Amino acid sequence: GESVGLHLPTLSVQEGDNSIINCAYSNSASDYFIWYKQESGKGPQFIIDIRSNMDKRQGQRVTVLLNKTVKHLSLQIAATQPGDSAVYFCAETSAAGNKLTFGGGTRVLVKP
Amino acid sequence: DAGVIQSPRHEVTEMGQEVTLRCKPISGHDYLFWYRQTMMRGLELLIYFNNNVPIDDSGMPEDRFSAKMPNASFSTLKIQPSEPRDSAVYFCASSSPSGTYNEQFFGPGTRLTVL
Repeated sequence: GESVGLHLPTLSVQEGDNSIINCAYSNSASDYFIWYKQESGKGPQFIIDIRSNMDKRQGQRVTVLLNKTVKHLSLQIAATQPGDSAVYFCAETSAAGNKLTFGGGTRVLVKP
Repeated sequence: DAGVIQSPRHEVTEMGQEVTLRCKPISGHDYLFWYRQTMMRGLELLIYFNNNVPIDDSGMPEDRFSAKMPNASFSTLKIQPSEPRDSAVYFCASSSPSGTYNEQFFGPGTRLTVL
């Protein structure tokens, strides 16, 4: 498959527990942020996004928090499931939102 | 919808050979992006098109890389001549503007190995 085997920070979490994945961004001009999930052998898949005029947004089992003061983004996954095992990337953009800059990624491993 | 389609899924070639990667975006999407993913550099944007016109190619590593989009349903990324350091997974993504921001849909990628 198309897994890259990146040497990534890894978060190991017990099934059913909550996961928190952190991301620091660098561009203070960024005004739109996205979390992507990449499973082994697949391309990144959109999870949730947030605009800079918000500090929290909730989806199904996921919550994104944005702290513009310290340029920090986090993704919270509630009741983590085996299917959540993947690499998670944050991405940022500004202006029209067409050019994304991706973070390095975090690997999440869910233990049964 | 079939999603973004890329071919081939795997390519193994020898140094110096020409490599052509192909992408079919989602029908109706007018933005197309080419990314490269490596262990060392993560996910990098190489180039993107809007309405078949290249908008930003600042991520293209060097002249050995070229990309074209002859029509709204097809794009190629060509490497000539290829080098071992080009080994990576190459992703194509497409999007359609929705208000100010737009979500990019990624294809499954092409794993390129240059020997």
